[in-house]
Amino acid sequence: DAGVIQSPRHEVTEMGQEVTLRCKPISGHDYLFWYRQTMMRGLELLIYFNNNVPIDDSGMPEDRFSAKMPNASFSTLKIQPSEPRDSAVYFCASSGDRRVGRGSTNEKLFFGSGTQLSVL
Amino acid sequence: AQSVTQLGSHVSVSEGALVLLRCNYSSSVPPYLFWYVQYPNQGLQLLLKYTSAATLVKGINGFEAEFKKSETSFHLTKPSAHMSDAAEYFCAARPGGYQKVTFGTGTKLQVIP
Repeated sequence: DAGVIQSPRHEVTEMGQEVTLRCKPISGHDYLFWYRQTMMRGLELLIYFNNNVPIDDSGMPEDRFSAKMPNASFSTLKIQPSEPRDSAVYFCASSGDRRVGRGSTNEKLFFGSGTQLSVL
Repeated sequence: AQSVTQLGSHVSVSEGALVLLRCNYSSSVPPYLFWYVQYPNQGLQLLLKYTSAATLVKGINGFEAEFKKSETSFHLTKPSAHMSDAAEYFCAARPGGYQKVTFGTGTKLQVIP
């Protein structure tokens, strides 16, 4: 398996523009997480999905942020409109493996390489 | 709410010296505990995890961590640091039965030749 794939690797945009980050989880995983990493706040969980359904979005900072998971192999995180304070590295992670039964709560997270977002 | 505290945002050790990275969690019920490592421009990778089977957990690359309930700690150690260990290390906790993982703020390890 290629691991968790995120795109783009880097995104530079101007304030007010819409930004869409993409994630392909590991095949067979039924949990998907979006994290944001900044120097000030470290790693913050934004939202996570189970079987394509959003379970907890309490970490989403504002209504400008939205996330979708239309199917088991794809998720997006959208920021509209973007602001300079949204500049961060955004990570997608997946866990769980339906092929071996219901995921246990001690399973590890598999992270993508992240998207470095710069909003000017 | 679950929280994870890592003491020291930066730690420097000499090559061959002991590595000790500290982590404390706050929870009345011991959660599942993890250590992750992040190399530059990469995502996090799991080093080791505590799942209540044994208090001393061995991970990859010679790292290990000891769970101490009385101290609510899960410190990461390695007997002899290698240059390739230079990275940022994150302690994380997940309550049993839930998928939400809380990460500490990370500790950057510098290994001096």
